[in-house]
Amino acid sequence: GDSVTQMEGPVTLSEEAFLTINCTYTATGYPSLFWYVQYPGEGLQLLLKATKADDKGSNKGFEATYRKETTSFHLEKGSVQVSDSAVYFCALWYSSASKIIFGSGTRLSIRP
Amino acid sequence: GAGVSQSPSNKVTEKGKDVELRCDPISGHTALYWYRQSLGQGLEFLIYFQGNSAPDKSGLPSDRFSAERTGGSVSTLTIQRTQQEDSAVYLCASSLLAGERGEQYFGPGTRLTVT
Repeated sequence: GDSVTQMEGPVTLSEEAFLTINCTYTATGYPSLFWYVQYPGEGLQLLLKATKADDKGSNKGFEATYRKETTSFHLEKGSVQVSDSAVYFCALWYSSASKIIFGSGTRLSIRP
Repeated sequence: GAGVSQSPSNKVTEKGKDVELRCDPISGHTALYWYRQSLGQGLEFLIYFQGNSAPDKSGLPSDRFSAERTGGSVSTLTIQRTQQEDSAVYLCASSLLAGERGEQYFGPGTRLTVT
């Protein structure tokens, strides 16, 4: 069945470091791909999305490119801030069942 | 506020008791979803409503779990005879249209602890 695998955390970086959080997926058909973020004490928020191969989603300095050939959707940011500390979830949209399949989440901590 | 709201925010219950969790979706959103987030695990899909009907109940873990939605708005997730493994954060989300490709808006969750 469809699934999402993302790198395990926690990931700890210094402020202004480069960030990559890996995400790969297994899916039949052509799902939409997402990154959701959960800041401390808050609900899940959609961070960015890409709906077809080679699309690049971007928001708040974060980017991810839908790579069909490698079935990946890695999240990147060139210079992280303390305020980026959160749990990040990679996900895919399983359209035939109208539900989102989430990865297990990666906790990111940024040191000042 | 125009977001998804859930109540209670925290619930502690004894094993064997029944609990009801409530979700108020964003006004006008026709689709509503329940997920469960267990400690150290990802989000697990439970059930999805389109209007008041539930086309997909495949994620409900057992027959102790049930959900309903009335008036195309508020939804209640009921867990009967709670067990310790039911302890988790229960998240509700809504979207404007069914099948809308992932544009789900999440509530803050209800943290359920079964003692």
